[in-house]
Order: sequence, then C-alpha cells, then structure tokens
Amino acid sequence: EAQVTQNPRYLITVTGKKLTVTCSQNMNHEYMSWYRQDPGLGLRQIYYSMNVEVTDKGDVPEGYKVSRKEKRNFPLILESPSPNQTSLYFCASSTLLTTQDYWRDTQYFGPGTRLTVL
Amino acid sequence: AQTVTQSQPEMSVQEAETVTLSCTYDTSESDYYLFWYKQPPSRQMILVIRQEAYKQQNATENRFSVNFQKAAKSFSLKISDSQLGDAAMYFCAYSTLSTGNQFYFGTGTSLTVIP
Repeated sequence: EAQVTQNPRYLITVTGKKLTVTCSQNMNHEYMSWYRQDPGLGLRQIYYSMNVEVTDKGDVPEGYKVSRKEKRNFPLILESPSPNQTSLYFCASSTLLTTQDYWRDTQYFGPGTRLTVL
Repeated sequence: AQTVTQSQPEMSVQEAETVTLSCTYDTSESDYYLFWYKQPPSRQMILVIRQEAYKQQNATENRFSVNFQKAAKSFSLKISDSQLGDAAMYFCAYSTLSTGNQFYFGTGTSLTVIP
C-alpha cells in the first residue's frame, strides 16, 4: 500500500529537549516536504526536498532542520523546541517530473504529528 | 510573494444542494498549479482536484468542479449534490516550478453539510 508514515503521531515534550519526527514514504518519490498547520493560518511549508541531499527552505524554516540522506526518509529535527512550535505537523511526498506536467501525481500526506512543547 | 486567500472561514450547505468555495491567489507567474485539498475530522489531507494554469478547461472530478479565472486570479470549488461526507475543512493551494516547487496554502474554509 502506497503511504507516507510519520512517527510519533503524538508527542508532548519540554522546551529545549531535542526531538526528531520521522517521515518515510514507500513510493520512490523524489519530492518530500514538511508542513505545520495552525488554526487560522492554514498549512505553512517548513522545508522541502526535491531529491537526496537537496533541501530548500519553505516559508517558516526557523527552528527546524531537515536532512535527506535516503530517498525514502525525510526527518524533521527540532534542536531546541519552544512553545511556539506547538502545532500539527504533516509530511508529504510526490513524484516530481521535469516536464510541464510535473505535478501529474498527487502529493501524498502522512497522518500528521501532534506536537506540544511545554 | 505568493499568497493564497480564502475569504470564507465557514460555509454551510443543505444536503444534496450545491455550494461554492472561493479562493484567490496572487502571483506574477504564468505557469503554475492550483489545488483543492480536503481535510476531514481525521486530519488526513486528501487531494480533491487539481488545475494546471496552462489549461483553459476547468478541471472536474465527479461532483467537484472548479471555476478557474486566470486573469482574475480566482479558483473556486463547486461541490454539487453535497453529501454528509463532504463536511470538512477545504484548503486551496498553489505551486509553481519557478519558486522551486514551494507550496502555498490558504487558511481554509470549514464546510458544514446540513442533513
């Protein structure tokens, strides 16, 4: 079954304690991305990656790190979490073509990770 | 900067009726993609419909269709024969190759379907 998995699904932590949210996809997708969702703000892109070792900042990258060492994995790292990073986080992946029809495939979203930073 | 605006935080529709959700966007690009995503209470994000800006024909997917007005930068979603399962948060989104495939989402419209 084609899917994007995220772990953990729920996490409560304290300020300053480093954490990693894992994301894995089994569809051999080139494109992977992280979003955060906050009430009244919709989804905002944190980081995205178009292939292994290629990552770019989205709209709200401050306080986050990512890495793309393998095509299937795209972990999100919070080195020193703060309460303003309390949010619902989504990982997503998609095929990325270099033709005009490059969004031919849909972007598959993971189930979300609810993070609370106290 | 690219922006996507959904001016209707909440909408309601009677079951079996038709509802239209509005979305406007700001861009200087000529080639881009627009999307509508549905987020039910389960929080899963589900693609509803996609429109390529270079295509003049409006996209349709069963009961879902869009009204894409490129000059007006408008991209509304029409849901026909509304069903209880259509109740969800709907997000409009934009992406373009020239911005490195960044995605921009609107703030969402919460749709209630009244039995």
